[in-house]
Amino acid sequence: GESVGLHLPTLSVQEGDNSIINCAYSNSASDYFIWYKQESGKGPQFIIDIRSNMDKRQGQRVTVLLNKTVKHLSLQIAATQPGDSAVYFCAELADFGNEKLTFGTGTRLTIIP
Amino acid sequence: DGGITQSPKYLFRKEGQNVTLSCEQNLNHDAMYWYRQDPGQGLRLIYYSQIVNDFQKGDIAEGYSVSREKKESFPLTVTSAQKNPTAFYLCASSWTSGRSRNEQFFGPGTRLTVL
Repeated sequence: GESVGLHLPTLSVQEGDNSIINCAYSNSASDYFIWYKQESGKGPQFIIDIRSNMDKRQGQRVTVLLNKTVKHLSLQIAATQPGDSAVYFCAELADFGNEKLTFGTGTRLTIIP
Repeated sequence: DGGITQSPKYLFRKEGQNVTLSCEQNLNHDAMYWYRQDPGQGLRLIYYSQIVNDFQKGDIAEGYSVSREKKESFPLTVTSAQKNPTAFYLCASSWTSGRSRNEQFFGPGTRLTVL
């Protein structure tokens, strides 16, 4: 079936460096994607989203890139800080009409001081 | 946590007992959702509701029940029929129209442990 997957389950980055978290999706009809950050024992927090009519969207220290040709999504975090350590999930809107999001399994990002 | 509250944060129950998890939102969102999260897995949808007095099954609804009598409340009951109820339960809400209609806001979660 259709699914959202991540290339790497864990990622360690030196504080101050940039990090890139990748996500592959398989439903070519999906038109909305969202990144969430989840700290241990807490609910996910919205980071940034993008619709399929765009290939790049920027927020504060974060950039999401969408490559529809290869069905790939990435989250770039600039100048990482210790507070960026968390699990990051991508999600796609894969069930139109019912507005249901399908979530990936997550990547654990660890910032090394 | 964006105006969504879940209670309690930790819950312990004996096997065979039903338990109800609370979810309240003051964001005036029309839609509400319940997810289950297990270690190493993504969020799986249990039930969702797009309007008061209406709800639909998600991908793993067996052993769960919900009600949506008020816009701001969407309680989840974990019944004794749920085979493996120990998990982290997350409630979310969203608008159903407008540019931000797909963005779901999450509560802090309830960790249920069945002994």
